[in-house]
Amino acid sequence: QIQLQQSGPELVKPGASVKISCKASGYTFTDYYINWVKQKPGQGLEWIGWIYPGSGNTKYNEKFKGKATLTVDTSSSTAYMQLSSLTSEDTAVYFCARKGFAYWGQGTLVTVSA
Amino acid sequence: QIVLTQSPAIMSASPGEKVTMTCSASSSVSYMHWYQQKSGTSPKRWIYDTSKLASGVPARFSGSGSGTSYSLTISSMEAEDAATYYCQQWSSNPPTFGAGTKLELK
Repeated sequence: QIQLQQSGPELVKPGASVKISCKASGYTFTDYYINWVKQKPGQGLEWIGWIYPGSGNTKYNEKFKGKATLTVDTSSSTAYMQLSSLTSEDTAVYFCARKGFAYWGQGTLVTVSA
Repeated sequence: QIVLTQSPAIMSASPGEKVTMTCSASSSVSYMHWYQQKSGTSPKRWIYDTSKLASGVPARFSGSGSGTSYSLTISSMEAEDAATYYCQQWSSNPPTFGAGTKLELK
């Protein structure tokens, strides 16, 4: 079955960076875009961007340019998102979701705190 | 970007009651998609391409609409339907979500 397994929770200091992962299984990884979505505590959903593993092409929400960097490792069927210059505004759960948003990871909580 | 406005923000319904929530887009979109999210879990695709039920979604759910006005209807509320529902469009970049309608059991 199709699964997206995300890395565990992160506690990071302001100004630091963090890289979270999303490991895909049950389908051909290079055939489908991977989206990333942010959800701040008690709030709604915000699209960050997508990456196409077949080519490495990316598209970002303007709001997240310079904040998020999307990459993939096709050898391990894993997508990554690096978040830089973290502030309290980046404290959120981050989800990966396959093209069409039919399949979602379980989410990774990133907490930014000194 | 296209702004999606969901209403109401919070609602409650008794078992057996008919429920309707709406999603209004700031510009016309081709399709609307809906997600169900329960506390502490990831969103689940619930209705896609405006009216198609995702796998496993009960037939008491339906979606309709066109242009800038869309809705999700539950014909007869059940306890398991209590959740937050988000609408989403990706007709236009960037994909955007509504702020959600929280449906509670009365």
